[in-house]
Amino acid sequence: ETGVTQSPTHLIKTRGQQVTLRCSSQSGHNTVSWYQQALGQGPQFIFQYYREEENGRGNFPPRFSGLQFPNYSSELNVNALELDDSALYLCASSLELRAREMTDTQYFGPGTRLTVL
Amino acid sequence: EDQVTQSPEALRLQEGESSSLNCSYTVSGLRGLFWYRQDPGKGPEFLFTLYSAGEEKEKERLKATLTKKESFLHITAPKPEDSATYLCAVQAAGGYQKVTFGTGTKLQVIP
Repeated sequence: ETGVTQSPTHLIKTRGQQVTLRCSSQSGHNTVSWYQQALGQGPQFIFQYYREEENGRGNFPPRFSGLQFPNYSSELNVNALELDDSALYLCASSLELRAREMTDTQYFGPGTRLTVL
Repeated sequence: EDQVTQSPEALRLQEGESSSLNCSYTVSGLRGLFWYRQDPGKGPEFLFTLYSAGEEKEKERLKATLTKKESFLHITAPKPEDSATYLCAVQAAGGYQKVTFGTGTKLQVIP
């Protein structure tokens, strides 16, 4: 069973640039959630994708956007980067079975460390 | 709005000195409470999921318990390799799978 993978591992950008982060979900999972984790803080929910549609969003501006593909992998795009966007970006995958209202645990990838200069 | 508060923020233990970490939560109907372990610069590693008050789960030196307002992570005879930040998170019933995290307890176990 393949776990959640993310790329790239590290990224350095300058203010105003755009960035795309990628995530491959764990085998058998259909839901991907993205989180931002600042140093010394807990992960903050950005948004979630279920079957290629945005399924919920946290308190993040529209310049944070995403995609989910038919194979359930996902991208996080951030436009007009700001210094405060520097953080560890985490992707988590899970299996949601809506007909059974079943909660499955979210499993996290290793993260992408983004530094904005 | 869902809230999770963890205490203490940091904990330093001697090897073999047992202790407990606390997670207090407010959620409109609990769907699940999660404990994760996170090493510096890495993604959270899943430990436990608890669903209802009274439930307990164990894994090696760790035991998680749940009441209607809080959860405890008990660490028995910790070893230096247990040093990490322990995160608690909750998921509310209904709607999508948003998970709300606390800020974590940073545990250091000294040999």
